[in-house]
Amino acid sequence: QVTLVQSEAEVKKPGSSVRISCKASGITFSNTDAINWVRQAPGQGLEWMGAITPIFGPATYAHSFRDRVTIKVDDATTTAFMELTGLRSDDTAIYYCARSLGGRGQYYYMDVWGKGTTVTVSS
Amino acid sequence: EVLLTQSPGTLSLSPGERATLTCRAGQRVWSDYLAWYQQKVGQAPRLLLHGASRRAAGIPDRFEGSGSGTNFTLTITRLEPDDFGVYFCQQYGRPPCSFGQGTKLEIK
Repeated sequence: QVTLVQSEAEVKKPGSSVRISCKASGITFSNTDAINWVRQAPGQGLEWMGAITPIFGPATYAHSFRDRVTIKVDDATTTAFMELTGLRSDDTAIYYCARSLGGRGQYYYMDVWGKGTTVTVSS
Repeated sequence: EVLLTQSPGTLSLSPGERATLTCRAGQRVWSDYLAWYQQKVGQAPRLLLHGASRRAAGIPDRFEGSGSGTNFTLTITRLEPDDFGVYFCQQYGRPPCSFGQGTKLEIK
């Protein structure tokens, strides 16, 4: 059984950075498993931020986040990380990690989701 | 990015009724790579269907997906109380993947 356990909620100041972890159990990063990051602002829809298929190398990012987001994995602990820099108040959201199959820059439907990490950006 | 438009924005129905939700794409969805998710308040999304019509593991057969190209439909044949929430479509055929804005299914 695949599970994704995310780190706890964060409160950040504008201009700072946040790093969220996503511990994967029941999968390995030696096949075509990918980890996606999706965020949801309060009362809003789902926004894909980027994803990584570890066996195919670096992550792929949504254009709107390209300059501010970094997604990496630690193969040894099967943990994925998402760092978002230059935080603004409109980055206040729930951030989800989700598993999908993946290729080089292509990611599929997301069948396992973490519970989400709430990030609040406030001065 | 492929724009997905879902309709209606809100659907008010009673248990036992049939629900029809639509998702329209601004461009053809490659290989009909379209998924549907259900989200309840305070929970992560849950995958219902992928490939437009393939039910995910454990999803009851009252959830039916259809469509191809640019027009897709999620039908819930007989609503149960647990089915109320927000439904999102996602296309994953043309990177980057994208989501519709959601349809809220509420109890009438």
